[in-house]
Amino acid sequence: SQKIEQNSEALNIQEGKTATLTCNYTNYSPAYLQWYRQDPGRGPVFLLLIRENEKEKRKERLKVTFDTTLKQSLFHITASQPADSATYLCALPGFSGGYQKVTFGTGTKLQVIP
Amino acid sequence: DVKVTQSSRYLVKRTGEKVFLECVQDMDHENMFWYRQDPGLGLRLIYFSYDVKMKEKGDIPEGYSVSREKKERFSLILESASTNQTSMYLCASSLRSSGRPEQYFGPGTRLTVT
Repeated sequence: SQKIEQNSEALNIQEGKTATLTCNYTNYSPAYLQWYRQDPGRGPVFLLLIRENEKEKRKERLKVTFDTTLKQSLFHITASQPADSATYLCALPGFSGGYQKVTFGTGTKLQVIP
Repeated sequence: DVKVTQSSRYLVKRTGEKVFLECVQDMDHENMFWYRQDPGLGLRLIYFSYDVKMKEKGDIPEGYSVSREKKERFSLILESASTNQTSMYLCASSLRSSGRPEQYFGPGTRLTVT
C-alpha cells in the first residue's frame, strides 16, 4: 500500500541555520508533491508544490527538491527564524473511486531556538 | 484570498447526539474535503465531494455522513456521536484542475464528545 514517511516527529535547530526536513514515500509514482505548514490549533497552509519533472523549487527562504528515483523530497528553510517554528506536512496525490485525493504525512514539528 | 470557514472552533457534545459541522468556501472550488486530525495519526480523510450532491468515501468514513447541497457548502454529520470521535475536524477545498491541486483549509473545529 502507499505510504508516506516524514523523517522525524520533531526537529530542533538554532536560529540562522538551515532546517532540512525529509519526506519519503513508497508504492507511489506521484505527478507532484506538496508541502504545507501547520501552526498549533490551525488548519494547514499550502506552501509549495513541486512536479515530477522539476528537480528543485524555491520560494523566498524555502527550497524543495524532488527525487523520483529515491522517492524522496527534501524541504529546506534557510536562515531559519523562531517564526518558522511549526509542523510541516508533505502531501502526495492519490486516487479514490477514480477521483483524485491527497494523502498527508504525519508531519515534522520544527522548533527554531533563538 | 481563498477563505474557508467552519461553523464552530470548539464544540462539546454528549454521546449519542447528532452533530453537524458546517464548512463554507468562497472561491467557487469544485472539491471539498473533511479530515480529522489526531496526535500521531496525522490528517485522515473522512469524505470528499467533487461536485454538488456528489460524495466519495475517504479512508475513515464509518460513523460519518456528508451533505453537499450547494457548491460552497459541505456539511459533516455525526449521526450518533461517540467518544472516539473526539478530534480536530478540518475542512478543505480545492479546484478540480490538476494544475492547481493545493488545498485550502479552514481553521478547524475541535470536537469533544463526553
